Amino acid sequence: GESVGLHLPTLSVQEGDNSIINCAYSNSASDYFIWYKQESGKGPQFIIDIRSNMDKRQGQRVTVLLNKTVKHLSLQIAATQPGDSAVYFCAERGGTSYGKLTFGQGTILTVHP
Amino acid sequence: ETGVTQTPRHLVMGMTNKKSLKCEQHLGHNAMYWYKQSAKKPLELMFVYNFKEQTENNSVPSRFSPECPNSSHLFLHLHTLQPEDSALYLCASSQMGTGYGYTFGSGTRLTVV
Repeated sequence: GESVGLHLPTLSVQEGDNSIINCAYSNSASDYFIWYKQESGKGPQFIIDIRSNMDKRQGQRVTVLLNKTVKHLSLQIAATQPGDSAVYFCAERGGTSYGKLTFGQGTILTVHP
Repeated sequence: ETGVTQTPRHLVMGMTNKKSLKCEQHLGHNAMYWYKQSAKKPLELMFVYNFKEQTENNSVPSRFSPECPNSSHLFLHLHTLQPEDSALYLCASSQMGTGYGYTFGSGTRLTVV
C-alpha cells in the first residue's frame, strides 16, 4: 500500500515575535548538540551549538537551551524575520568526538509578514 | 558558496542509467558523508568515510556505490535506481577528533523516472 510520510511539526509566527523550537533527544551520553537551518533548495546550515557542560548559549538573535535532566534542547529566535522561515533540525553527537551526528526530523518555521 | 560543493544540483535519470554525484570539500576536513533526504523524513546517513576509508555503510542497497579517492573528494555512483530513490542527496564533511559538527553542501536533487 501507499506509505505515508511523517508530518513535520510546524510553527507559524508573526514577524517580530520570538520563536521557540523544541527537540527531544534520546542518548543520555550525548555530549554535543547543534541546530541547523535548512532553506528550500539548500543544504542544512549551522546555526549554533552547545556542549553538554553548558545549559545555555547565545548567538546573534538565537539562544540554545539544554536541559540534560529531561533530554531536551530548544532554539529561541528573537524578533523572528521572514528570512528565518525554514526547516530547523537539531542534531546530537553521542559521547565521543568520533561519534556521528544523529538528526531529528525537523520543524518547519513559517514567519508571516 | 559553502566550503562543500556538490554537482550537479539537479539530476533526472532513467532507471537503466548510470550517473555519478560529486562532492568536493575545501575545508581540510578528514571525514565525509553521504546523506539521503526524502520528503518529511529525517536525514538518513548512507556512508561515512574517515581518512578516505569507508567506516560505515548504513545498509544501503548496492545500486548506490560510493568512492572516496582522497580526503577532499567523494562520489556516489548510481546504477539501476528505482523511483523511490528520488530524493535530495546531501554531502557533508567534518574534522573528526575536534568535536565540531558537519558542514553540508547544497545537495543534488535526484529524480528517477
